[in-house]
Amino acid sequence: QSVLTQPPSASGTPGQRVTMSCSASRSNIGSNTINWYQHLPGTAPKLLIYDNDQRPSGVPDRFSGSRSGTSASLAIGGLQSEDEADYYCASWDETLNGLVFGTGTRVTVL
Amino acid sequence: EVQLLESGGGLVQPGGSLRLSCAASGFTFSDYAMIWVRQAPGKGLEWVSGISKSGGSTYYADSVKGRLTISRDNSKNTLFLQMNSLRAEDAAVYYCAKAQWPGYPMGYLDFWGQGTLVTVSS
Repeated sequence: QSVLTQPPSASGTPGQRVTMSCSASRSNIGSNTINWYQHLPGTAPKLLIYDNDQRPSGVPDRFSGSRSGTSASLAIGGLQSEDEADYYCASWDETLNGLVFGTGTRVTVL
Repeated sequence: EVQLLESGGGLVQPGGSLRLSCAASGFTFSDYAMIWVRQAPGKGLEWVSGISKSGGSTYYADSVKGRLTISRDNSKNTLFLQMNSLRAEDAAVYYCAKAQWPGYPMGYLDFWGQGTLVTVSS
């Protein structure tokens, strides 16, 4: 079972700022970093944020990540239609000895 | 350019077997751990298995332990997932992904394939 909980949905109009949370149910992610992935159904998931708050090259700077303790957040500033997708946080779990994904947040652009 | 191309998916009966492959190119395959992730219909992403760069260490989700086996052939730049005793709940799109690091914990997944569909049905 997922130990990373995300809100099921978020929405906004073009240009708005949207944020979503990722909360660990226990501290087993320890000091492992949280990464975020964007997934459009039928396509390959894409790394969006790594090491809590770092953007890979090519990812627009309207995407930003932050972390405090066992919680993390992803923000999309200046929402665009192409941002409509599912977003997952993920981290390595020291107890499960494996990777855990969050429950996912579907972002809708109104 | 990094490319990951999965193959081997298809329709299989419950209890049957299937072998997935992931052909990698554009990076030094033997330097990185590799991962399988799946997405069942209407569900989120689920980590399935991971393997270290040498293949000497493997990791599995509890839901697949004892039934799925991850392996790799570094001479052929190919990752595999042998799937036995398949169940209806194994039906999903299976993605292979390149990990950031050579071993556990494997870090972020920076490149993903397009996925291959596994259907389990009689």
